Amino acid sequence: ILNVEQSPQSLHVQEGDSTNFTCSFPSSNFYALHWYRWETAKSPEALFVMTLNGDEKKKGRISATLNTKEGYSYLYIKGSQPEDSATYLCASLNDYKLSFGAGTTVTVRA
Amino acid sequence: DTGVSQDPRHKITKRGQNVTFRCDPISEHNRLYWYRQTLGQGPEFLTYFQNEAQLEKSRLLSDRFSAERPKGSFSTLEIQRTEQGDSAMYLCASRGGDFYNEQFFGPGTRLTVL
Repeated sequence: ILNVEQSPQSLHVQEGDSTNFTCSFPSSNFYALHWYRWETAKSPEALFVMTLNGDEKKKGRISATLNTKEGYSYLYIKGSQPEDSATYLCASLNDYKLSFGAGTTVTVRA
Repeated sequence: DTGVSQDPRHKITKRGQNVTFRCDPISEHNRLYWYRQTLGQGPEFLTYFQNEAQLEKSRLLSDRFSAERPKGSFSTLEIQRTEQGDSAMYLCASRGGDFYNEQFFGPGTRLTVL
């Protein structure tokens, strides 16, 4: 089981502010890095799958970067909105299975 | 097909009872995964199917746990002689296509063992 770590564990953001948080993962035997958003009472939903060092992906106000050499990924939320409140999970793909971090829970205050 | 479904969504049982959960993946997905998530932790891999073949089981999956995918479509996860430590969210996910593709998750089954 890979040691995937996310920080911070939780954060509170004022509506309209931007924020970012980190996922670190072992860089050896790396295949891909997944980001998921998990809203309360819903299914985890994939945001991004990144494979190459230097990858940057964007979906609306949310974007992510990947550094496979040092083993970290950042997720950015620009202009946070209340609907961005969720737990954001990252997961490192090793062979056929994902190893997840514990998540960063984001609460956006109106 | 609107996504991965799981049944039941919630299950409360007494210690020592057997429980069975069902997962219906996206129909064209041949890969199916089970995860367990406890409070404050991320989902932990339990087992993985490619079509009807169970290819890997985590050491987290004790002898009391068994999973099947009899026709390569839906899957069941059974826990025998439940213990309080089995209380968790059990998530199912499916994947199609390439190795790196995202997994599509169901809403989970919340198990509470009293």
